[in-house]
Amino acid sequence: GAVVSQHPSRVICKSGTSVKIECRSLDFQATTMFWYRQFPKKSLMLMATSNEGSKATYEQGVEKDKFLINHASLTLSTLTVTSAHPEDSSFYICSGTKPGAQETQYFGPGTRLLVL
Amino acid sequence: GNSVTQMEGPVTLSEEAFLTINCTYTATGYPSLFWYVQYPGEGLQLLLKATKADDKGSNKGFEATYRKETTSFHLEKGSVQVSDSAVYFCALSANDMRFGAGTRLTVKP
Repeated sequence: GAVVSQHPSRVICKSGTSVKIECRSLDFQATTMFWYRQFPKKSLMLMATSNEGSKATYEQGVEKDKFLINHASLTLSTLTVTSAHPEDSSFYICSGTKPGAQETQYFGPGTRLLVL
Repeated sequence: GNSVTQMEGPVTLSEEAFLTINCTYTATGYPSLFWYVQYPGEGLQLLLKATKADDKGSNKGFEATYRKETTSFHLEKGSVQVSDSAVYFCALSANDMRFGAGTRLTVKP
Protein backbone atom coordinates (compact mmCIF):
# COMPACT_ATOMS: atom_id res chain seq x y z
CA GLY A 1 0.00 0.00 0.00
CA ALA A 2 0.87 3.65 -0.06
CA VAL A 3 -1.24 5.64 2.35
CA VAL A 4 -0.67 9.28 3.11
CA SER A 5 -2.57 11.08 5.83
CA GLN A 6 -2.97 14.76 6.55
CA HIS A 7 -3.94 16.48 9.74
CA PRO A 8 -6.06 18.42 10.24
CA SER A 9 -8.52 17.80 7.46
CA ARG A 10 -10.10 21.16 7.99
CA VAL A 11 -9.01 24.23 9.92
CA ILE A 12 -10.40 27.69 10.47
CA CYS A 13 -8.15 30.36 11.89
CA LYS A 14 -8.05 34.08 12.44
CA SER A 15 -6.06 36.37 10.21
CA GLY A 16 -2.52 36.85 11.51
CA THR A 17 -2.22 33.48 13.21
CA SER A 18 -0.09 30.55 12.06
CA VAL A 19 -1.37 27.14 11.10
CA LYS A 20 0.57 23.90 10.89
CA ILE A 21 -0.48 21.06 8.60
CA GLU A 22 1.02 17.61 8.99
CA CYS A 23 1.57 15.10 6.22
CA ARG A 24 2.45 11.53 7.11
CA SER A 25 3.26 8.50 5.02
CA LEU A 26 1.71 5.67 7.00
CA ASP A 27 3.06 2.53 5.37
CA PHE A 28 6.11 3.64 3.45
CA GLN A 29 9.12 5.88 3.81
CA ALA A 30 8.71 8.96 1.69
CA THR A 31 12.10 10.15 0.56
CA THR A 32 10.48 13.10 -1.17
CA MET A 33 7.31 14.92 -0.26
CA PHE A 34 5.48 17.56 -2.20
CA TRP A 35 3.09 20.30 -1.16
CA TYR A 36 0.39 21.52 -3.51
CA ARG A 37 -2.27 24.14 -3.35
CA GLN A 38 -5.55 23.75 -5.14
CA PHE A 39 -7.96 26.58 -5.85
CA PRO A 40 -11.64 25.86 -6.37
CA LYS A 41 -12.29 23.98 -9.58
CA LYS A 42 -8.65 24.31 -10.59
CA SER A 43 -5.74 21.98 -10.95
CA LEU A 44 -2.97 21.49 -8.42
CA MET A 45 -0.23 24.06 -8.12
CA LEU A 46 3.08 22.73 -6.83
CA MET A 47 4.33 24.87 -3.99
CA ALA A 48 7.47 23.07 -2.89
CA THR A 49 9.42 19.85 -2.91
CA SER A 50 11.08 18.58 0.22
CA ASN A 51 13.59 15.84 0.84
CA GLU A 52 14.10 14.40 4.28
CA GLY A 53 16.74 16.26 6.21
CA SER A 54 17.27 19.06 3.73
CA LYS A 55 15.73 22.39 2.91
CA ALA A 56 12.67 22.48 0.74
CA THR A 57 12.83 23.70 -2.84
CA TYR A 58 10.12 26.26 -3.49
CA GLU A 59 8.48 26.97 -6.80
CA GLN A 60 8.74 30.40 -8.28
CA GLY A 61 6.35 32.83 -6.67
CA VAL A 62 5.90 30.86 -3.46
CA GLU A 63 7.11 32.72 -0.39
CA LYS A 64 9.35 30.43 1.60
CA ASP A 65 9.12 32.61 4.70
CA LYS A 66 5.36 32.41 4.62
CA PHE A 67 5.02 28.73 3.86
CA LEU A 68 7.51 26.97 6.10
CA ILE A 69 8.18 23.36 5.26
CA ASN A 70 9.94 20.91 7.51
CA HIS A 71 10.66 17.33 6.47
CA ALA A 72 12.05 16.02 9.73
CA SER A 73 11.72 12.31 9.06
CA LEU A 74 11.01 9.88 6.27
CA THR A 75 7.37 9.73 7.28
CA LEU A 76 6.53 13.28 8.28
CA SER A 77 6.52 16.65 6.57
CA THR A 78 4.86 19.76 7.92
CA LEU A 79 3.66 22.92 6.23
CA THR A 80 3.24 25.98 8.42
CA VAL A 81 1.33 28.91 7.01
CA THR A 82 2.67 31.86 8.96
CA SER A 83 0.67 35.01 9.60
CA ALA A 84 -2.19 33.66 7.57
CA HIS A 85 -4.43 35.99 5.60
CA PRO A 86 -7.78 35.37 3.90
CA GLU A 87 -6.05 34.98 0.54
CA ASP A 88 -4.23 31.95 1.95
CA SER A 89 -7.55 30.14 2.25
CA SER A 90 -7.27 27.11 0.02
CA PHE A 91 -7.07 23.34 -0.18
CA TYR A 92 -3.56 22.12 0.60
CA ILE A 93 -2.54 18.66 -0.54
CA CYS A 94 0.66 16.78 0.14
CA SER A 95 2.12 13.77 -1.59
CA GLY A 96 5.04 11.42 -1.14
CA THR A 97 7.11 9.15 -3.29
CA LYS A 98 8.70 5.83 -2.43
CA PRO A 99 12.43 5.24 -2.68
CA GLY A 100 13.34 4.05 -6.15
CA ALA A 101 9.92 4.94 -7.56
CA GLN A 102 10.04 8.68 -7.75
CA GLU A 103 7.70 8.93 -10.71
CA THR A 104 4.59 7.94 -8.75
CA GLN A 105 3.19 10.28 -6.13
CA TYR A 106 0.75 9.17 -3.45
CA PHE A 107 -1.50 11.91 -2.23
CA GLY A 108 -2.95 12.79 1.11
CA PRO A 109 -6.65 13.61 1.48
CA GLY A 110 -6.00 17.33 1.68
CA THR A 111 -6.47 20.06 4.28
CA ARG A 112 -8.97 22.80 3.79
CA LEU A 113 -7.80 26.05 5.34
CA LEU A 114 -10.15 28.96 5.90
CA VAL A 115 -8.67 32.19 7.20
CA LEU A 116 -11.18 34.65 8.58
CA GLY B 1 8.69 22.54 -21.02
CA ASN B 2 6.55 19.55 -20.15
CA SER B 3 2.81 20.02 -20.16
CA VAL B 4 -0.48 18.17 -20.15
CA THR B 5 -3.65 19.15 -21.95
CA GLN B 6 -6.92 17.43 -21.21
CA MET B 7 -10.39 17.98 -22.49
CA GLU B 8 -12.35 20.62 -20.71
CA GLY B 9 -15.42 19.62 -18.84
CA PRO B 10 -17.75 19.33 -17.39
CA VAL B 11 -18.81 16.01 -18.82
CA THR B 12 -22.27 14.72 -18.00
CA LEU B 13 -23.25 11.16 -18.86
CA SER B 14 -26.03 8.77 -18.09
CA GLU B 15 -25.26 5.62 -16.15
CA GLU B 16 -23.81 2.82 -18.32
CA ALA B 17 -22.66 5.26 -21.01
CA PHE B 18 -19.19 5.05 -22.55
CA LEU B 19 -16.63 7.50 -21.25
CA THR B 20 -13.64 9.04 -22.98
CA ILE B 21 -11.58 11.84 -21.52
CA ASN B 22 -8.86 12.99 -23.87
CA CYS B 23 -5.37 13.76 -22.68
CA THR B 24 -2.34 14.77 -24.70
CA TYR B 25 1.09 15.68 -23.47
CA THR B 26 4.25 17.47 -24.44
CA ALA B 27 7.49 16.21 -22.98
CA THR B 28 11.10 15.57 -23.74
CA GLY B 29 12.29 12.07 -23.14
CA TYR B 30 10.03 9.31 -21.91
CA PRO B 31 7.72 10.44 -19.14
CA SER B 32 5.47 8.24 -17.06
CA LEU B 33 1.77 9.00 -17.47
CA PHE B 34 -0.97 8.93 -14.87
CA TRP B 35 -4.65 9.39 -14.29
CA TYR B 36 -5.70 10.56 -10.87
CA VAL B 37 -9.25 10.87 -9.56
CA GLN B 38 -10.47 13.36 -6.98
CA TYR B 39 -13.78 12.80 -5.24
CA PRO B 40 -15.53 15.79 -3.66
CA GLY B 41 -13.66 17.15 -0.68
CA GLU B 42 -10.86 14.64 -0.96
CA GLY B 43 -7.28 14.48 -2.20
CA LEU B 44 -6.14 12.77 -5.35
CA GLN B 45 -6.13 9.02 -5.73
CA LEU B 46 -3.98 7.25 -8.27
CA LEU B 47 -6.33 5.59 -10.74
CA LEU B 48 -3.89 4.10 -13.20
CA LYS B 49 -0.51 4.65 -14.75
CA ALA B 50 1.72 3.64 -17.63
CA THR B 51 5.46 3.99 -17.70
CA LYS B 52 6.39 3.30 -21.31
CA ALA B 53 5.01 3.45 -24.81
CA ASP B 54 2.18 1.02 -25.63
CA ASP B 55 1.65 0.18 -21.96
CA LYS B 56 -1.99 0.02 -20.94
CA GLY B 57 -2.92 1.05 -17.43
CA SER B 58 -6.20 -0.26 -16.05
CA ASN B 59 -8.13 -0.14 -12.80
CA LYS B 60 -11.78 -0.31 -11.73
CA GLY B 61 -12.91 -0.67 -15.35
CA PHE B 62 -10.95 2.38 -16.49
CA GLU B 63 -8.11 2.05 -18.93
CA ALA B 64 -5.67 4.23 -20.82
CA THR B 65 -2.96 3.39 -23.34
CA TYR B 66 0.34 5.26 -23.59
CA ARG B 67 0.50 6.32 -27.25
CA LYS B 68 3.84 7.85 -28.05
CA GLU B 69 3.05 8.40 -31.72
CA THR B 70 0.10 10.63 -30.86
CA THR B 71 1.46 11.76 -27.45
CA SER B 72 -1.83 10.77 -25.89
CA PHE B 73 -3.14 8.94 -22.84
CA HIS B 74 -6.91 9.00 -23.20
CA LEU B 75 -9.00 7.63 -20.34
CA GLU B 76 -11.85 5.27 -21.20
CA LYS B 77 -14.49 3.29 -19.41
CA GLY B 78 -17.08 1.16 -21.12
CA SER B 79 -19.93 1.67 -18.66
CA VAL B 80 -19.85 4.45 -16.11
CA GLN B 81 -21.61 4.41 -12.76
CA VAL B 82 -22.95 7.21 -10.60
CA SER B 83 -20.09 6.52 -8.19
CA ASP B 84 -17.60 7.49 -10.91
CA SER B 85 -18.67 11.11 -10.59
CA ALA B 86 -15.48 12.97 -9.72
CA VAL B 87 -12.76 15.14 -11.20
CA TYR B 88 -10.17 13.32 -13.28
CA PHE B 89 -6.63 14.61 -13.71
CA CYS B 90 -4.16 13.49 -16.34
CA ALA B 91 -0.53 13.90 -15.30
CA LEU B 92 2.95 13.21 -16.47
CA SER B 93 6.13 12.67 -14.51
CA ALA B 94 9.51 13.48 -15.98
CA ASN B 95 11.78 15.72 -13.97
CA ASP B 96 8.71 16.89 -12.11
CA MET B 97 5.00 16.19 -12.19
CA ARG B 98 2.65 18.17 -14.38
CA PHE B 99 -1.11 18.00 -14.10
CA GLY B 100 -3.82 18.75 -16.57
CA ALA B 101 -6.55 21.16 -15.58
CA GLY B 102 -8.92 18.37 -14.58
CA THR B 103 -12.18 17.18 -16.10
CA ARG B 104 -15.29 17.05 -13.96
CA LEU B 105 -17.47 14.03 -14.68
CA THR B 106 -21.04 13.78 -13.51
CA VAL B 107 -22.90 10.53 -14.03
CA LYS B 108 -26.68 10.66 -13.72
CA PRO B 109 -28.83 7.66 -12.86
